[in-house]
Amino acid sequence: DAGVTQSPTHLIKTRGQQVTLRCSPISGHKSVSWYQQVLGQGPQFIFQYYEKEERGRGNFPDRFSARQFPNYSSELNVNALLLGDSALYLCASSFGQITGELFFGEGSRLTVL
Amino acid sequence: GQQVMQIPQYQHVQEGEDFTTYCNSSTTLSNIQWYKQRPGGHPVFLIQLVKSGEVKKQKRLTFQFGEAKKNSSLHITATQTTDVGTYFCAGSGNTPLVFGKGTRLSVIA
Repeated sequence: DAGVTQSPTHLIKTRGQQVTLRCSPISGHKSVSWYQQVLGQGPQFIFQYYEKEERGRGNFPDRFSARQFPNYSSELNVNALLLGDSALYLCASSFGQITGELFFGEGSRLTVL
Repeated sequence: GQQVMQIPQYQHVQEGEDFTTYCNSSTTLSNIQWYKQRPGGHPVFLIQLVKSGEVKKQKRLTFQFGEAKKNSSLHITATQTTDVGTYFCAGSGNTPLVFGKGTRLSVIA
């Protein structure tokens, strides 16, 4: 069975640009969470979506937005990129809304120049 | 908001030595999870603890959840080079999981 897949795996952007990251959860999983991991730090929660609705939002500016599609895949959008947005963006899927085991994808490594 | 703190930040051990990492939450948790992230990899789930005072073992790994459900520990007996990586605790108090900063374990053969 396929695990959580994310695309792209690596990307380079310049300040002020916009980026869209994509995630496909494990088949049957209805919840997708997005985390930002800066080098040397733990993952920081950005968003959780369950059944296509936002169920939680972390302490991130409005430049960050996300959505979940009817097939439970998800996109994370970041506008007006800053140097500090450079990080590994992790998508994690789980079966239900209540926090259980998270299955992480390999991540999308974003570099902002 | 909820904060989860882990100590130590780094630990270097000789192969065969034991290793322990500690996790403390600013609030009472409904459950705590532990993840391992190998260098260049992504976090991989190890275990979830939900009961006060719970102790779970996985081979050489022992996980403990405190009586007050605000702290937890992971102990590895007789470390091996395959144990290298960063160990994260992540707590939930009816909120999405909040991760600690992790403990990076190096094992010297």
